[in-house]
Amino acid sequence: SAVISQKPSRDICQRGTSLTIQCQVDSQVTMMFWYRQQPGQSLTLIATANQGSEATYESGFVIDKFPISRPNLTFSTLTVSNMSPEDSSIYLCSVDLAGVETQYFGPGTRLLVL
Amino acid sequence: SQQGEEDPQALSIQEGENATMNCSYKTSINNLQWYRQNSGRGLVHLILIRSNEREKHSGRLRVTLDTSKKSSSLLITASRAADTASYFCATAMMDSSYKLIFGSGTRLLVRP
Repeated sequence: SAVISQKPSRDICQRGTSLTIQCQVDSQVTMMFWYRQQPGQSLTLIATANQGSEATYESGFVIDKFPISRPNLTFSTLTVSNMSPEDSSIYLCSVDLAGVETQYFGPGTRLLVL
Repeated sequence: SQQGEEDPQALSIQEGENATMNCSYKTSINNLQWYRQNSGRGLVHLILIRSNEREKHSGRLRVTLDTSKKSSSLLITASRAADTASYFCATAMMDSSYKLIFGSGTRLLVRP
């Protein structure tokens, strides 16, 4: 298994600003994922972050809005840029351990944009 | 895009009763997984069933998979108040099994 932490756990931000969310894993992993969960909704995959390469974004998500860094095998950041109230969501990171088909999730970052 | 639809959207039962949640999906899958989420927190993996399996058990959980109908069900037996949570199915596609597509979720309330 893996233990994943996220920072911050929650934040309230003003529209037009940006917030960077950090995701730290207690072991080295190849693949990390970022999801968005809008209020009362399911999870939607934003992008897959592999170390040493550009993140792969899903349809409807772009790098300018959600830039991602993956500097090493235990850490990743997701930035929510130029925020609007529609960005109010829970943002979750997860990891896929090699040889294990399930994903392990961080506790999430609850973002409210005013 | 969201692959799975779940029903019911919400379910309220008495402690001790069984809870059944259903998930339908659209394309061929490598496996289907069920996750649980408490109060908008991180998800916890419950059980995985592969496309060549029809039924799987884990403690009080029983999962079935019908690939001909593209559907799965999760049964929680002898429910407890602590089972109150949202439950999501997630499918791993045949062509990219590392990527999970989540269903719409079922909110379960177990009344003490």
